[in-house]
Amino acid sequence: RKEVEQDPGPFNVPEGATVAFNCTYSNSASQSFFWYRQDCRKEPKLLMSVYSSGNEDGRFTAQLNRASQYISLLIRDSKLSDSATYLCVVNIPNDYKLSFGAGTTVTVRA
Amino acid sequence: DTGVSQDPRHKITKRGQNVTFRCDPISEHNRLYWYRQTLGQGPEFLTYFQNEAQLEKSRLLSDRFSAERPKGSFSTLEIQRTEQGDSAMYLCASSPQNEQFFGPGTRLTVL
Repeated sequence: RKEVEQDPGPFNVPEGATVAFNCTYSNSASQSFFWYRQDCRKEPKLLMSVYSSGNEDGRFTAQLNRASQYISLLIRDSKLSDSATYLCVVNIPNDYKLSFGAGTTVTVRA
Repeated sequence: DTGVSQDPRHKITKRGQNVTFRCDPISEHNRLYWYRQTLGQGPEFLTYFQNEAQLEKSRLLSDRFSAERPKGSFSTLEIQRTEQGDSAMYLCASSPQNEQFFGPGTRLTVL
């Protein structure tokens, strides 16, 4: 079983729509959680960290459900520039590396 | 621009040749990571340095791969006797603690 699993999508949504997707992680000891954004042929860029209480950054809301071991990302009022692959990332204590999901592709159309 | 730089950005080589990539992390970050990413997959961890010490290596890092960070600043990743399966994007990241910031990557194509 992969450490981090994501629905690859693609999620095709019109501008202004809300889109949400989840990822699941297998290691219950996971401690740190992130969403990274990756544009085609570019490097991953940190979008936001995910905190236990959930957190919001502008149009982006991240939630963590430890009991069910999943993380979610919601994008409100989608913009064309939100089109990208969103990578779910997990880290366990005392393990320095990040474990990445394969990504969820979002395409926002005009 | 995160401040992490990588060189070269692209490398095309013939099978069997050796290649070396360089990463310059953000100067105040003591943690440096190498990842490999292939199409349709997330980055996969290769190795990790804290300052000049290489603390962890993935099973993905065969004997043909070696990484160094001699002075705790820049790092190099060398692949000897390249194979077509080594074709990928090689990403470097640096970190002050948990969050990692990636460089633009080196795209390797092995013919």
